[in-house]
Amino acid sequence: NAGVTQTPKFRVLKTGQSMTLLCAQDMNHEYMYWYRQDPGMGLRLIHYSVGEGTTAKGEVPDGYNVSRLKKQNFLLGLESAAPSQTSVYFCASSSMGLAGGNGQYFGPGTRLTVL
Amino acid sequence: AQSVAQPEDQVNVAEGNPLTVKCTYSVSGNPYLFWYVQYPNRGLQFLLKYITGDNLVKGSYGFEAEFNKSQTSFHLKKPSALVSDSALYFCAVREGNFNKFYFGSGTKLNVKP
Repeated sequence: NAGVTQTPKFRVLKTGQSMTLLCAQDMNHEYMYWYRQDPGMGLRLIHYSVGEGTTAKGEVPDGYNVSRLKKQNFLLGLESAAPSQTSVYFCASSSMGLAGGNGQYFGPGTRLTVL
Repeated sequence: AQSVAQPEDQVNVAEGNPLTVKCTYSVSGNPYLFWYVQYPNRGLQFLLKYITGDNLVKGSYGFEAEFNKSQTSFHLKKPSALVSDSALYFCAVREGNFNKFYFGSGTKLNVKP
């Protein structure tokens, strides 16, 4: 049981380049999330998904796109990277239900630098 | 709108002393509250949660948190701090219907020997 995994761990892009971050979970969770973490700002929700084939915008969706073609995978895309997107990106998943289980399970993060 | 505030960027405490990391929240409806810990270069890890019931909840690594509805607070506590507790701590509130989580800005806990 690997939990939540993220690929890649590190990446350096030039302004204008594109890339896709991959998140995978093996806990059969319905919900998946992408956050970015910047110093002093905590975690900010980029996009999330409440099930296979569905996605929704979070707090800071501009410049990002997502897809959830399979229940276990949640992809985050940057079509034209900008220096403001330099950040650490975390994927998370959670189960359904009001009890919420143990909240969210997080991946180890992807450190992205845009030059 | 849901929100979480962690008023202290950093908390310093000596090993063996009690520690408190503060969190206040604003929600519509019943609050579902969580504490997470983040060690350097790692993802967040669940510590404890409050859903309903006893106002004092116990979690991992000897941590506990007290839910106070009148003060809309959910402070994290530990009776005796360890150097290994040094990390970044996040408070979060879950929006019940949509399973969205709102995080505070984080508090860095420094435990000195």
